[in-house]
Amino acid sequence: GAVVSQHPSWVICKSGTSVKIECRSLDFQATTMFWYRQFPKQSLMLMATSNEGSKATYEQGVEKDKFLINHASLTLSTLTVTSAHPEDSSFYICSADPPQTAEEQYFGPGTRLTVT
Amino acid sequence: GQNIDQPTEMTATEGAIVQINCTYQTSGFNGLFWYQQHAGEAPTFLSYNVLDGLEEKGRFSSFLSRSKGYSYLLLKELQMKDSASYLCAVKDSNYQLIWGAGTKLIIKP
Repeated sequence: GAVVSQHPSWVICKSGTSVKIECRSLDFQATTMFWYRQFPKQSLMLMATSNEGSKATYEQGVEKDKFLINHASLTLSTLTVTSAHPEDSSFYICSADPPQTAEEQYFGPGTRLTVT
Repeated sequence: GQNIDQPTEMTATEGAIVQINCTYQTSGFNGLFWYQQHAGEAPTFLSYNVLDGLEEKGRFSSFLSRSKGYSYLLLKELQMKDSASYLCAVKDSNYQLIWGAGTKLIIKP
């Protein structure tokens, strides 16, 4: 089946620094990728929809200048958390729209971000 | 607004059967999904229903009634490894996934 990878799987950074998370579709082309955030014991929260070659669409309440999304190719989308603060500590998960033969989104394994 | 409701937590016994319900109110409907998520991991796909009826896949089955805005996930022969959160999600008229808060399933020996 289709595989989505994320890198890094976990990262610890200091407050005020920036962190980049990569999401790759390994064996299919994904024109649309999604970025989610999940706090402990809560459900997934869609942050933004990333479209290859165009600007991302952000959900209400998500700061586009803080969470920079770049989808420069059909297999790679990146999320950069700029000027991170402890409240940005969360589990960040990306997913990709499936090939035409499937309906479900394919999820990456997630990235655990801890800001100290 | 759009809303998906599912119980917060359920407890069941190893070897038994459990049914997790999901009700939804969305602007349009283009399919309902069930995902399993273990703590600290990404969700994994379990099932997809777009037409009314029951879809069976091994120990797991999923049912959909579009007229009632209702679905359930049925897990049979429960195993300890089934302890996880189960997420119900619906694709609306814009093909955007709307997620439920998830049901934490606790399996006891």
